[in-house]
Amino acid sequence: RKEVEQDPGPFNVPEGATVAFNCTYSNSASQSFFWYRQDCRKEPKLLMSVYSSGNEDGRFTAQLNRASQYISLLIRDSKLSDSATYLCVVNGADGGSQGNLIFGKGTKLSVKP
Amino acid sequence: GAVVSQHPSRVICKSGTSVKIECRSLDFQATTMFWYRQFPKKSLMLMATSNEGSKATYEQGVEKDKFLINHASLTLSTLTVTSAHPEDSSFYICSARDMRGPYNEQFFGPGTRLTVL
Repeated sequence: RKEVEQDPGPFNVPEGATVAFNCTYSNSASQSFFWYRQDCRKEPKLLMSVYSSGNEDGRFTAQLNRASQYISLLIRDSKLSDSATYLCVVNGADGGSQGNLIFGKGTKLSVKP
Repeated sequence: GAVVSQHPSRVICKSGTSVKIECRSLDFQATTMFWYRQFPKKSLMLMATSNEGSKATYEQGVEKDKFLINHASLTLSTLTVTSAHPEDSSFYICSARDMRGPYNEQFFGPGTRLTVL
């Protein structure tokens, strides 16, 4: 089983749509979880950290289910500028907060007018 | 978020030459920085962990003598690709861990696109 798995997409949605991305991770000892976005030929940019209780930042909502080792990202009212690849990221093998990050392969989102 | 710079942004060099890439944390100190490589349409792959004042930790399959890492200060890590070959052409990205917050988030530099002719 891969350490971090995501649906690669692409997700093609119209402006204004709500879209959800899912991610599963294999290391039950992982403690830190993040969503990054990466635009074509650019570096990843931190979108949000994922808190145990779930968290919301504007149109973006992240949730964590430790029992199922599952992370989600919900984007409401999609904008054209949301088009990017969304990376699910989990801290690394040792499971501690000092661990390296393990990246999923990313889910590509394309928002159309 | 915290700011990480990387220089140069783009390098084109001849096969056999060495290329040095700098990664700087601009508004925070980073005892730990990371070097990644990303090939087209592939995910980021961690190459090594750079630790200030000590030797870098390399991931399996990454040659430490080919990819020299130096982390001489709390704000600067360098990656030198020695005797570069065309197969080393890739997008090299550094990140630095910001320990000021509770989640030790990593922030990325803008990347260096290396093309070896």
